[in-house]
Amino acid sequence: EAGVTQSPTHLIKTRGQQVTLRCSPISGHTSVYWYQQALGLGLQFLLWYDEGEERNRGNFPPRFSGRQFPNYSSELNVNALELEDSALYLCASSPLGSSYEQYFGPGTRLTVT
Amino acid sequence: AQKITQTQPGMFVQEKEAVTLDCTYDTSDPSYGLFWYKQPSSGEMIFLIYQGSYDQQNATEGRYSLNFQKARKSANLVISASQLGDSAMYFCAMREDTPWDSGYALNFGKGTSLLVTP
Repeated sequence: EAGVTQSPTHLIKTRGQQVTLRCSPISGHTSVYWYQQALGLGLQFLLWYDEGEERNRGNFPPRFSGRQFPNYSSELNVNALELEDSALYLCASSPLGSSYEQYFGPGTRLTVT
Repeated sequence: AQKITQTQPGMFVQEKEAVTLDCTYDTSDPSYGLFWYKQPSSGEMIFLIYQGSYDQQNATEGRYSLNFQKARKSANLVISASQLGDSAMYFCAMREDTPWDSGYALNFGKGTSLLVTP
């Protein structure tokens, strides 16, 4: 069974630019979660998508947005990049429901200069 | 307020020894789940073990066991017979079953760096 995949692996952007990160969940999983892991801040919940809808978001500004496609893959968009957006962005998938663990992808490492 | 606390920034253990990684949590929700993940230097988060708040027995998965003490709100991870490949960051996480609030997102602790020495 293929795991969660993310692309690209690494990304370097300039402050003010926009970036799109992609995630494909495990087959059969309908929920996709995005987390940010910035140095010294631990993992912070960003967004939760299920069945194509944004279900919840963490304490992040509106320039962090995304969507989920009919095949349950997801994109995370970050506009007007700031230096503090430099982080590892992790995507996780799970079947809908509270009793399931989340399986993580390898992450996208974003560097903003 | 911090919901997950991991008080050990770093731990050392000798190969083949057992090690306990501490985790305490804070919630008023009667239904929740507790997770442990391993993050090697490659960055990927690897699921290790899960404990539900209503589970009567401590969870076990191979060399991993979770010492769940509900009254103390602790969920310590025990790794038996440590191996060199166990060297990594370990994160404790909690999911509160309040989808109308945070959904099923995980709250993570800051992690414990484990180094297994020969």
